[in-house]
Amino acid sequence: QTVVTQEPSLTVSPGGTVTLTCASSTGAVTSDYDPNWFQQKPGQAPRALTYNTNKKHSWTPARFSGSLLGGKAALILSNVQPEDEADYYCLLYYGGLGVFGTGTKVTVL
Amino acid sequence: EVQLVESGGTLVKPGGSLRLSCAASGFTFNNAWMTWVRQAPGKGLEWVARIKSKSDGGTKDYAAPVRGRFTISRDDSESTVYLQMNSLRSEDTAVYYCTLDLGRWGQGTLVSISS
Repeated sequence: QTVVTQEPSLTVSPGGTVTLTCASSTGAVTSDYDPNWFQQKPGQAPRALTYNTNKKHSWTPARFSGSLLGGKAALILSNVQPEDEADYYCLLYYGGLGVFGTGTKVTVL
Repeated sequence: EVQLVESGGTLVKPGGSLRLSCAASGFTFNNAWMTWVRQAPGKGLEWVARIKSKSDGGTKDYAAPVRGRFTISRDDSESTVYLQMNSLRSEDTAVYYCTLDLGRWGQGTLVSISS
């Protein structure tokens, strides 16, 4: 059973920077896992942020960046805004099957 | 504008069956890979099933918890993707989202499994 692990919660100040990570139980995450990141606010459907490790959708704010960091996928939020408070999920692909991460609740305080 | 509208969610008894539909518009459906994702109440996201376009082989992939019970299919003439769910269990209770290859998401439809 493959497990994709994220930090349960992170707190950041407005205007600050926070890094969310996404680790695989199978070992180091590489671009071959096609990391994707999603944002979900209460009562709403998830919204895609990044794919193929670091590609942004047309609607993704510039302050969101995807990357690989220390064997994990990462989502870096810069110049954090109050509206960035949400749950964030990563997804990795294993042989064509997607597995979502456990999710990170980001609080802007 | 891309639109994905799910329907078919309802209350079903354990062991029952249900078919979800997702009507798509605003893009070239027959070239699209479509994925179903679910979210149990108060829980995280779970990837359920994906169907590739016919031009990419029409391959269907399933998460382990639903393999053998759920079937994903598509009707390109109707721009609709389906999720046939059989032998339903209480743990299948969730909001089911239809997605355009995880890029665009519908608003979801609630499936409740309870006696």
